[in-house]
Parts: sequence; structure tokens; C-alpha cells
Amino acid sequence: EAGVAQSPRYKIIEKRQSVAFWCNPISGHATLYWYQQILGQGPKLLIQFQNNGVVDDSQLPKDRFSAERLKGVDSTLKIQPAKLEDSAVYLCASSLDRTPYGYTFGSGTRLTVV
Amino acid sequence: AQTVTQSQPEMSVQEAETVTLSCTYDTSENNYYLFWYKQPPSRQMILVIRQEAYKQQNATENRFSVNFQKAAKSFSLKISDSQLGDTAMYFCAFTSRDNDYKLSFGAGTTVTVRA
Repeated sequence: EAGVAQSPRYKIIEKRQSVAFWCNPISGHATLYWYQQILGQGPKLLIQFQNNGVVDDSQLPKDRFSAERLKGVDSTLKIQPAKLEDSAVYLCASSLDRTPYGYTFGSGTRLTVV
Repeated sequence: AQTVTQSQPEMSVQEAETVTLSCTYDTSENNYYLFWYKQPPSRQMILVIRQEAYKQQNATENRFSVNFQKAAKSFSLKISDSQLGDTAMYFCAFTSRDNDYKLSFGAGTTVTVRA
């Protein structure tokens, strides 16, 4: 089966610009997660979707970050405006449902804000 | 909220030797799941091994095994017969039904296998 697809692989932007990341989960996976991984740290959950609804966005900085999952398939994560501290790898993961098994991660997008 | 602690930022091991990575966690729950993930330079998280808290037997997957000490809330990973391809970041992770099966990660340990 195809894995979790993410694009772009790399992105460099200036602070105060906007950026968007795209994720295509494994077909049939109802649950989708976005994680932020700052260099030298473990991934931190930003938002969790179940189909096209938000389950948990408590760690999402909503003044600048937004995410959507239209039609319960692809998802987009946006940052506007970006800050230097947003430099990180943004990982998308999906699972069949809300279960401890079957998590599959994408290769992430490395964002550099200068 | 659960916390996961990895106290070893870096480990180095000679090829064919054994290395052990430590992980401790904090939770008040009785049923939960623990994982070790490998993250090579490609950045994709790869599941190495998992342990269900209700199982007393330590999990093993080929050259990878864990030492799960539930009372001590400790979950170490042993890599035997280390290979150059084992060079990567290793993350310990925790999840449970009470947190809706979201993963909480430690800070990671960089493992370098020397030829």
C-alpha cells in the first residue's frame, strides 16, 4: 500500500510570510495527525482529525496556525504569519482509526524561517 | 498529561556490539502502550517495537528487544549485533486510550554505529 505522502519536502520562507503543507494519508485511514518536530526534540502533536472533524487542537497556536481536512481525506496545515521559532519538521501521520496500532508517518516537510 | 523522558542525547556503539537506550515515563494509568521509533535522515518515523502494558513478557523483534519494568515505569531498548543501518534517532513513545491514542514522544537518542 502507498504510504503517507507529504509535500513539499523542504520550504524556506522569510518571517511574516505564509506557508502551507499538504498531507495525503493512507487510503481508508480515518484518523490524521499533524506533529511539529523542532530540531533536537521529539515530535509534538499539533492537531488530530477524525474523518473531517477536529478531535484535538489544544496544542495548535491558533493565532497563526490553521488546518483543515476537507472530505476526510487530504489535509492542509497553514502558518500565517510565520515566525523564526516555527522552523521545524512538520510530520503527518495517519491510522485506520483511533487505535494504538497502525500509525504510519510521512517523511515530513522541513520548514526554515529566516 | 503523560511525560516521556530519554536521558541519553547520544550513544555510540561499535558494529556488531550491543547498545541499550533508556526511557522512563510518567502515568497514572494501568493500561497503555509503549513504542520505540527509529528516525533515519530520511525523517520518516519507523516503528521498531511495541509493548502493551498488560503483557508481562518483554517484546522482541529480531535484533531489538525491550526491558519493560512497569512498576519502575521504565522501558529500555536493546539493539544487539548493531549494524551500520541502525544509525538514526530513536524515540520512545507512549499512548493510551485515555489520551485517545495520541502519541507522546521523548526527546530522542541519537545512535551512531561505528564501522
